[in-house]
Amino acid sequence: QQPVQSPQAVILREGEDAVINCSSSKALYSVHWYRQKHGEAPVFLMILLKGGEQKGHEKISASFNEKKQQSSLYLTASQLSYSGTYFCGTERTTGNQFYFGTGTSLTVIP
Amino acid sequence: DGGITQSPKYLFRKEGQNVTLSCEQNLNHDAMYWYRQDPGQGLRLIYYSQIVNDFQKGDIAEGYSVSREKKESFPLTVTSAQKNPTAFYLCASWGVYSNQPQHFGDGTRLSIL
Repeated sequence: QQPVQSPQAVILREGEDAVINCSSSKALYSVHWYRQKHGEAPVFLMILLKGGEQKGHEKISASFNEKKQQSSLYLTASQLSYSGTYFCGTERTTGNQFYFGTGTSLTVIP
Repeated sequence: DGGITQSPKYLFRKEGQNVTLSCEQNLNHDAMYWYRQDPGQGLRLIYYSQIVNDFQKGDIAEGYSVSREKKESFPLTVTSAQKNPTAFYLCASWGVYSNQPQHFGDGTRLSIL
């Protein structure tokens, strides 16, 4: 039921790029991306609807391949503030069920 | 300002005791969710509700109960049957039909005394 994210953890130096993947075994209507700092609530980054639309948010963008039930989050020229755990959240085509992915811990070091 | 409020921020439970976590939203969202997060882990769905007076179990509902008597409120009771309740609990609301993100409260950290 839970979407699988990869990698589980990644360490970057400032300015490097990263890609986080989210895969589901079920047909999806939308994919959400959130970032969570330790001990805090997740913060919304972006939502992608089925149709393969790619969205951008500052230096963070994402794509959604509905045929493969996959989404990828792209972080370019990473900053220290990008550190945290990234979760995808998926809404299925039917039933309005929503599940969060397994999470990816991202650490940016100077 | 619209938002979602969880209380208390910290809660301690004694053995054999039931405790209730509060979640209130004024976003006029139909759907509300409860998640449990253990240290270093992801968000696991406990219960969710899409309309008043109706709710469904998530993946880890055992030892928990909820009610949805009002659209704005979705309290979670952690019963004595939940043997390992220590975790960070997050409540979220969602305007399902408006392609909007889930909105989260600040969370309640529950510990056993």
